Amino acid sequence: NAGVTQTPKFRILKIGQSMTLQCTQDMNHNYMYWYRQDPGMGLKLIYYSVGAGITDKGEVPNGYNVSRSTTEDFPLRLELAAPSQTSVYFCASRRQSEAEAFFGQGTRLTVV
Amino acid sequence: QQPVQSPQAVILREGEDAVINCSSSKALYSVHWYRQKHGEAPVFLMILLKGGEQKGHEKISASFNEKKQQSSLYLTASQLSYSGTYFCGTDPVTGDSWGKLQFGAGTQVVVTP
Repeated sequence: NAGVTQTPKFRILKIGQSMTLQCTQDMNHNYMYWYRQDPGMGLKLIYYSVGAGITDKGEVPNGYNVSRSTTEDFPLRLELAAPSQTSVYFCASRRQSEAEAFFGQGTRLTVV
Repeated sequence: QQPVQSPQAVILREGEDAVINCSSSKALYSVHWYRQKHGEAPVFLMILLKGGEQKGHEKISASFNEKKQQSSLYLTASQLSYSGTYFCGTDPVTGDSWGKLQFGAGTQVVVTP
């Protein structure tokens, strides 16, 4: 079982560039999440999804977009990257509201 | 609204006990506890559902008071391996935010020999 897989692991972007952070899970979980973690800080929820075709904003959605066309994939799109988006991004998934969340290994993004 | 954790940090000697608190302004369906080691992803410790039940993981246990919308994590007879940042995550009850798992800012725990 691969669990939650995030790609890439590291990325450097220039200001104004765009990119997509990939997240896929093979556990047939219906809930998926994107969090960002700034150095020494907690996890802030960017977007979440409770099933294919259903997404909703978290606490810090500005500058990001998501889609959920399949149960397995939940990509996060950054448009017009800004230095404030420098962070570690974690994708997570869980089966339903009573289950533990499994996290990917994270993507370390630097915007210069 | 993110849950609020306290304290922000705690330093323990091996064998000492500590309590980490987590509170929410919203009615909660469940509380999750995770531990994150430096440079790694958070790892699940336990989940508590409304009903005030207590759970344990090694010598780490937790309680959930749904009336007060509070949870506490108890580190008993701490070991060096307990060092890390502990996060509580909360599931609100309200239907329109069902499944919205939000985390507190974390409590950094350092256990020294």
